Amino acid sequence: GAVVSQHPSRVICKSGTSVKIECRSLDFQATTMFWYRQFPKKSLMLMATSNEGSKATYEQGVEKDKFLINHASLTLSTLTVTSAHPEDSSFYICSAEGGGRYSGANVLTFGAGSRLTVL
Amino acid sequence: QQPVQSPQAVILREGEDAVINCSSSKALYSVHWYRQKHGEAPVFLMILLKGGEQMRHEKISASFNEKKQQSSLYLTASQLSYSGTYFCGTEINSGGSNYKLTFGKGTLLTVNP
Repeated sequence: GAVVSQHPSRVICKSGTSVKIECRSLDFQATTMFWYRQFPKKSLMLMATSNEGSKATYEQGVEKDKFLINHASLTLSTLTVTSAHPEDSSFYICSAEGGGRYSGANVLTFGAGSRLTVL
Repeated sequence: QQPVQSPQAVILREGEDAVINCSSSKALYSVHWYRQKHGEAPVFLMILLKGGEQMRHEKISASFNEKKQQSSLYLTASQLSYSGTYFCGTEINSGGSNYKLTFGKGTLLTVNP
């Protein structure tokens, strides 16, 4: 089946530094990838939609300059948290479209997530 | 708009049944159901597209009402492996370049021996 690899799974960084998270579709081409943020016991909050070769579309309230998204190829999207602060600590998950269809609709395949802790 | 999921949490004994609901104030294009175990990626269960539709994934089934504003997930004869958080993801538009899912807050299901 379709697999999405997300790396790193855990990262701890100092306040003010930048952190890059990678999301790769291993066995399919993902024209669109999505980035979510998930707080403990909370829902998956969509941050942005990433399309290969074009600028990401950010959801309302998400800072574009804080969360840089690059979708350079059909199998790789990256999320860079710039000048990270403790309030950016969270679980970040990516998903990719293109790994399969079900009843005529697109199925999203999720990565396993990246837990970011900013000290 | 975020769909409303209920209940927030449910505890079952192995073999018992449960129903999880997902409601929207607007008619939906589709409803997607996912299960997420702690620390893992959400895993796809099924998608419903048509009003009145019912789908099944092993012993888990789901329905989509005629107005396409409510979906229910039915877990029958629950197994320990069913434990996890269930999310419904809803799509209002017909996909294409505007395709995106809005997820409910999730329902934490715990199945005990």
